[in-house]
Amino acid sequence: AQKITQTQPGMFVQEKEAVTLDCTYDTSDQSYGLFWYKQPSSGEMIFLIYQGSYDEQNATEGRYSLNFQKARKSANLVISASQLGDSAMYFCAMRDLNPGNTPLVFGKGTRLSVIA
Amino acid sequence: DAGVIQSPRHEVTEMGQEVTLRCKPISGHNSLFWYRQTMMRGLELLIYFNNNVPIDDSGMPEDRFSAKMPNASFSTLKIQRTQQEDSAVYLCASSLADEQFFGPGTRLTVL
Repeated sequence: AQKITQTQPGMFVQEKEAVTLDCTYDTSDQSYGLFWYKQPSSGEMIFLIYQGSYDEQNATEGRYSLNFQKARKSANLVISASQLGDSAMYFCAMRDLNPGNTPLVFGKGTRLSVIA
Repeated sequence: DAGVIQSPRHEVTEMGQEVTLRCKPISGHNSLFWYRQTMMRGLELLIYFNNNVPIDDSGMPEDRFSAKMPNASFSTLKIQRTQQEDSAVYLCASSLADEQFFGPGTRLTVL
């Protein structure tokens, strides 16, 4: 079974600063994907970034980067130059990549508040 | 391009009534997922389809819940004899490759 653990229920960050949201995972699968989603107060889940278990380089998407440490089973999200619009819930998720499309398993989320 | 479309966005019903939630996946996507989100339990998978075929419905809480995908562009989630514990946000997602893309969700309130 897969499990995602997000130990930070809430985080605060000053505008323009960088912030790291923690995520650890547990799985017996050899091939898996790690995902981060943002959920603003409107409720929509917005895909941010993806890392495959066999990817050697850490994924980056604009101001988002995923710090993937396979041996530690961690997949932390780093947001650089925080903006007020980054205030939201952030969910770490994973899924088995074999076979085909499989459901996501989510962590409980971290609420990020960006302070002006 | 249109994203995942869900309707209604909000649904208020009384206990014992039946509700049907609708989802239109992104065109060309071959997998569709229904998730439920509550404060207590977080995000949970209810059921998912690959190529319109239900693959895993073990997350469906009770026989009161049923889901269909009659074609590649439409899915429904029906809840019969609604109970207060069914109050939640129901999220639909579709996928072709690695990422899943979510709709805006349906917030169901059972009075």
